[in-house]
Amino acid sequence: AQSVTQLGSHVSVSEGALVLLRCNYSSSVPPYLFWYVQYPNQGLQLLLKYTSAATLVKGINGFEAEFKKSETSFHLTKPSAHMSDAAEYFCAVSDGGNTDKLIFGTGTRLQVFP
Amino acid sequence: GAGVSQTPSNKVTEKGKYVELRCDPISGHTALYWYRQSLGQGPEFLIYFQGTGAADDSGLPNDRFFAVRPEGSVSTLKIQRTERGDSAVYLCASSLSFGTVYEQYFGPGTRLTVT
Repeated sequence: AQSVTQLGSHVSVSEGALVLLRCNYSSSVPPYLFWYVQYPNQGLQLLLKYTSAATLVKGINGFEAEFKKSETSFHLTKPSAHMSDAAEYFCAVSDGGNTDKLIFGTGTRLQVFP
Repeated sequence: GAGVSQTPSNKVTEKGKYVELRCDPISGHTALYWYRQSLGQGPEFLIYFQGTGAADDSGLPNDRFFAVRPEGSVSTLKIQRTERGDSAVYLCASSLSFGTVYEQYFGPGTRLTVT
């Protein structure tokens, strides 16, 4: 069975500071990994995805994530936080099988202080 | 273009009642997914349609939950004899086709409250 664990339900950073949101996965097959962002009262939006190509994946809004098989991690980073980055972030895994259903983590709420 | 839409945005019902939640996917998207997001949790997979047929309904919690997609477009999630534990945000997503290369686009969700 596949799963993801997001360490830290809340992360607070100052505007301009580094953002680091942690995600570890468990999968018996090569995983496909995703980061989604959810703004209040809006649907989930895909930030980036890893599908076994380059291990460093660049996404929208300046976010990137690095797939590290040895650490079973897929942490999300952004060099400089912006106030507009405040949202809930979800890591997800898929086995790319018959349904491509996504298995989500519990989410990390990012707060950005001026 | 129009994204995934879901109606109603909010639904309050009494325990034991029947509810229907509707999802309008992006035009031309053949794959449709339902997820449920409880408070403080990530979305949990319920059911997946490829075209008109349910290709995977392994996430439906019990036989009170049922979903249809009769014409391969709009989908309805039906919940019979609602229970307070069914209270959650129900999310719908669609993608162009099957395959991880295709992004799942999510609707804003329907917040269901069972009193």
